[in-house]
Amino acid sequence: GDSVTQMEGPVTLSEEAFLTINCTYTATGYPSLFWYVQYPGEGLQLLLKATKADDKGSNKGFEATYRKETTSFHLEKGSVQVSDSAVYFCALSEKSGSARQLTFGSGTQLTVLP
Amino acid sequence: GAGVSQSPSNKVTEKGKDVELRCDPISGHTALYWYRQRLGQGLEFLIYFQGNSAPDKSGLPSDRFSAERTGESVSTLTIQRTQQEDSAVYLCASGAGTQYFGPGTRLLVL
Repeated sequence: GDSVTQMEGPVTLSEEAFLTINCTYTATGYPSLFWYVQYPGEGLQLLLKATKADDKGSNKGFEATYRKETTSFHLEKGSVQVSDSAVYFCALSEKSGSARQLTFGSGTQLTVLP
Repeated sequence: GAGVSQSPSNKVTEKGKDVELRCDPISGHTALYWYRQRLGQGLEFLIYFQGNSAPDKSGLPSDRFSAERTGESVSTLTIQRTQQEDSAVYLCASGAGTQYFGPGTRLLVL
């Protein structure tokens, strides 16, 4: 079945550091790929998405490129801020029967220090 | 409403009791999902509703779990005879191509 593997945390960075959170996936077809973010005390929010190979999703300075050849969707940001501290989840969506449920990675806790 | 809402936000119950969790999706969204998030883990799919079609129950972990949805409105997730292993955050999402999540219900079974 479908699965998502993402870099284990926790990750601790200083403000303005470069961020990479690795994500690879296994899917039978051509899934859509997502990054969701969960800020402390809040619900899951969609950060960015890509629906086909070579698409780049971007939002709030974060980027991820859908790489079919390496089945990856790594999240990057050039200069993190304290406010980026959160848990980041990589996910894929592939239609199975009538459903298009999300399959999530286990999440990566990011802490950015001032 | 503006977003997905869930109630209660927190629920503490004793082992063996039944609990009912509620989800109000975004108005107009025909697709509704329930997920479970155990501590330190990713989300597990539980059940999916699409309009008036039969729900996809393939993710329900046992027959103690059930869910209902009337039309395209509110959904309730019921857990009967709760066990300690049911302790988790239960998340509801609505939307098709992109799913929008509610804040979740944090369930603690003592």
